[in-house]
Amino acid sequence: EDQVTQSPEALRLQEGESSSLNCSYTVSGLRGLFWYRQDPGKGPEFLFTLYSAGEEKEKERLKATLTKKESFLHITAPKPEDSATYLCAVQALSGGYNKLIFGAGTRLAVHP
Amino acid sequence: ETGVTQSPTHLIKTRGQQVTLRCSSQSGHNTVSWYQQALGQGPQFIFQYYREEENGRGNFPPRFSGLQFPNYSSELNVNALELDDSALYLCASSTFGQVGYEQYFGPGTRLTVT
Repeated sequence: EDQVTQSPEALRLQEGESSSLNCSYTVSGLRGLFWYRQDPGKGPEFLFTLYSAGEEKEKERLKATLTKKESFLHITAPKPEDSATYLCAVQALSGGYNKLIFGAGTRLAVHP
Repeated sequence: ETGVTQSPTHLIKTRGQQVTLRCSSQSGHNTVSWYQQALGQGPQFIFQYYREEENGRGNFPPRFSGLQFPNYSSELNVNALELDDSALYLCASSTFGQVGYEQYFGPGTRLTVT
């Protein structure tokens, strides 16, 4: 069964304290892995797409990496405005159509 | 801003009623997907529409149905509402068939069933 697991469920950091979020997955027909940021009461905001093991993408203080079984979202010197829920999703081909399978997310809180 | 809009923002319904949620896709996107997101969970795929036809469905009962219109706007209809249907409903637009396609989400409709 296609599955995405994110850890930790919640993470509290001090401003400037770097850390990593994990996304492990089991899926057949993987066509891509996505990271989204979601603020409370809002829709997910696209961050990155990764397609193959070894690929890395960066955006400001965020860096996403991908292996054959998991992805990491590294946050360097976070600021309070980075506080949000970070969602990982895998794109799978099932029955001839693309679908996104999401993890439950990691709730990040960055304190001054 | 993603260019994807949803209405209404919030909605309160009673168990057993029917509800229609609306979505306007980003310009140029011909595919729309709908998701249900319960509190503290990731979005769950409901179904996907391409060229006005459903071409994918998650594990949701038939009382969840949809429509996509020629202008790429779409509707999610839910009949016989249950308390567990209370959630944030998200639509996302994309371009069908593109490998590694990206979906862009709207702000969601918060549905409360009492």
